[in-house]
Amino acid sequence: DAGVTQSPTHLIKTRGQQVTLRCSPKSGHDTVSWYQQALGQGPQFIFQYYEEEERQRGNFPDRFSGHQFPNYSSELNVNALLLGDSALYLCASRNPGTGSVDEQFFGPGTRLTVL
Amino acid sequence: AQRVTQPEKLLSVFKGAPVELKCNYSYSGSPELFWYVQYSRQRLQLLLRHISRESIKGFTADLNKGETSFHLKKPFAQEEDSAMYYCALRGSGGYQKVTFGTGTKLQVIP
Repeated sequence: DAGVTQSPTHLIKTRGQQVTLRCSPKSGHDTVSWYQQALGQGPQFIFQYYEEEERQRGNFPDRFSGHQFPNYSSELNVNALLLGDSALYLCASRNPGTGSVDEQFFGPGTRLTVL
Repeated sequence: AQRVTQPEKLLSVFKGAPVELKCNYSYSGSPELFWYVQYSRQRLQLLLRHISRESIKGFTADLNKGETSFHLKKPFAQEEDSAMYYCALRGSGGYQKVTFGTGTKLQVIP
């Protein structure tokens, strides 16, 4: 099991463009969360997906949207990119149905640079 | 609203000295508290959670609801403990979001 995987590793976009980031959860996990981590900050929760629906959302504008597929993989889409969207985007997966073993596993992240 | 505060950006200690990384939280219910660690060039990973009341790599953390704190402690620091440490909170109930602090960089001086 490769654990949580994310693609691409790095991405450079210009202001106003749109971007799609991808995440495959750890085997056996059905819940995916996305985080934005700006330089020098902790991860900030964007949203969480379970059963292909957005279940929780943090304080991010509608430009940030997502999707979860039947195989539990997920995409994060950001429209109308701003310079301030430059950050490391982390995906994390977990399986809340496993009782006490409710650990969130993180991917390596996608580094997005907006010029 | 839930909030996690880690007052120290950087904590430098000598090898063998005790370590205490501070974490305070704000939440109006019964939260779950976690410590995550990120070693150099590695992924963010769970270190420990308050409900397990366990010691991992010599680290412990006790939830103090009166002081709304969840400080991370280790009696004798090792060089391999050098890393970024993040305190995190998840609210009670299903599908709750996780709020992270800004992190503390622990530097253990040989």
